[in-house]
Amino acid sequence: DAGVIQSPRHEVTEMGQEVTLRCKPISGHNSLFWYRQTMMRGLELLIYFNNNVPIDDSGMPEDRFSAKMPNASFSTLKIQPSEPRDSAVYFCASSQGLAGVLAKNIQYFGAGTRLSVL
Amino acid sequence: GQNIDQPTEMTATEGAIVQINCTYQTSGFNGLFWYQQHAGEAPTFLSYNVLDGLEEKGRFSSFLSRSKGYSYLLLKELQMKDSASYLCAVTGGYQKVTFGIGTKLQVIP
Repeated sequence: DAGVIQSPRHEVTEMGQEVTLRCKPISGHNSLFWYRQTMMRGLELLIYFNNNVPIDDSGMPEDRFSAKMPNASFSTLKIQPSEPRDSAVYFCASSQGLAGVLAKNIQYFGAGTRLSVL
Repeated sequence: GQNIDQPTEMTATEGAIVQINCTYQTSGFNGLFWYQQHAGEAPTFLSYNVLDGLEEKGRFSSFLSRSKGYSYLLLKELQMKDSASYLCAVTGGYQKVTFGIGTKLQVIP
């Protein structure tokens, strides 16, 4: 399998512009996660989906952020309007989404999108 | 909520052994992950502990004490390529994983 695929790898935009990040999870994985990573705050969970349904979006910073998963093989994270403080690396990850207390749901990460908002 | 503590930075010598500690306070706990992240790259899975005790996998071992809210990652026979950040992460719910800030390990000759 090709692994989790994210695009673009780098994005430079100006404040106020709309930014759309894309993710293709590993085939057969039921869960998809969006993270943001900065030096100060580390890796923060923004939102995660199970079977294409958003389960927990409590990490989404504010209304400027939105995420969709229209089907099992594609998800987007949109920022509109973007601000300089949104500059970070955004990771998408997927896992099998197995049930059970002992389930080992390893998350596999994409290469990330490095976003710079000027 | 979840609170995870691990040292910010560590330095160790090539060929030596290093232990990276992680303590956590959680409202619910299922298991604990360790991930490795090289600079500029994505995190990759190292280990998962759900029961107390030591899990060994080659040069890497991970330990968990659920009663103490404590884990450590042990790296033996350090190599220069082990220079990376090591992320401790806990899962308390069905899928949600909370990551610590990470420990940046520098291996020196």
